[in-house]
Amino acid sequence: DIQMTQSPSSLSASVRDRVTITCRASQSISTFLNWYQKKPGKAPKLLIYGASSLQSGVPSRFSGSGSGTDFTLTISSLQPEDFATYYCQQSYISWTFGQGTKVGIK
Amino acid sequence: QLQLQESGSGLVKTSQTLSLTCAVSGGSISSGGYFWSWIRQPPGKGLEWIGYINHSGSTYYNPSLKSRVSISVDRSKNQFSLKVSSVTAADTAVYFCARGIWSGGSRYNWFDPWGHGTLVTVSS
Repeated sequence: DIQMTQSPSSLSASVRDRVTITCRASQSISTFLNWYQKKPGKAPKLLIYGASSLQSGVPSRFSGSGSGTDFTLTISSLQPEDFATYYCQQSYISWTFGQGTKVGIK
Repeated sequence: QLQLQESGSGLVKTSQTLSLTCAVSGGSISSGGYFWSWIRQPPGKGLEWIGYINHSGSTYYNPSLKSRVSISVDRSKNQFSLKVSSVTAADTAVYFCARGIWSGGSRYNWFDPWGHGTLVTVSS
């Protein structure tokens, strides 16, 4: 199995902060990497696919980068509605997820 | 706009079979290029992909669960279902259904949209 490790597991930030979440794969996955946002009681929402492609309707403050084993999700200016848990997911071999990064209010 | 809604028993006894259904609205489950998946999240833990069924009825399961899992489709009702047999407390989780999308002409794929999820508790 390909293991996905996110860091940090949680962070506290303020509105308008720049936030960066990292995701590392246990082996190279090219750019077969997706990012999701999850809020309590709501369905997970696709943000980024193919490591850097922004899903339609997702604000441009979200961006993704990386290839191989190291990836990042960046929120350029954190908004109140962005407080949530974020998951990376590889789709190179089967499908596995990171353990999540909870973005909380400072 | 495609929507998915999970339903099923919220409480299952140890060693019995968990059964859930995902109703699809706003689109046909028989459309090509998609795979219909189940994903779960145990309390306080990460997400785990369980398996999928595609438009032609082919299935693929997580090897760690394969011996206990079955996914089927009911095209007349535009829904797909999950069964997990011989459940234990470790199967307690929020279960999500999701549409998997294959990017045309490439191996890239992702899950969108997802259902809201349904909590299944396994207890004796």
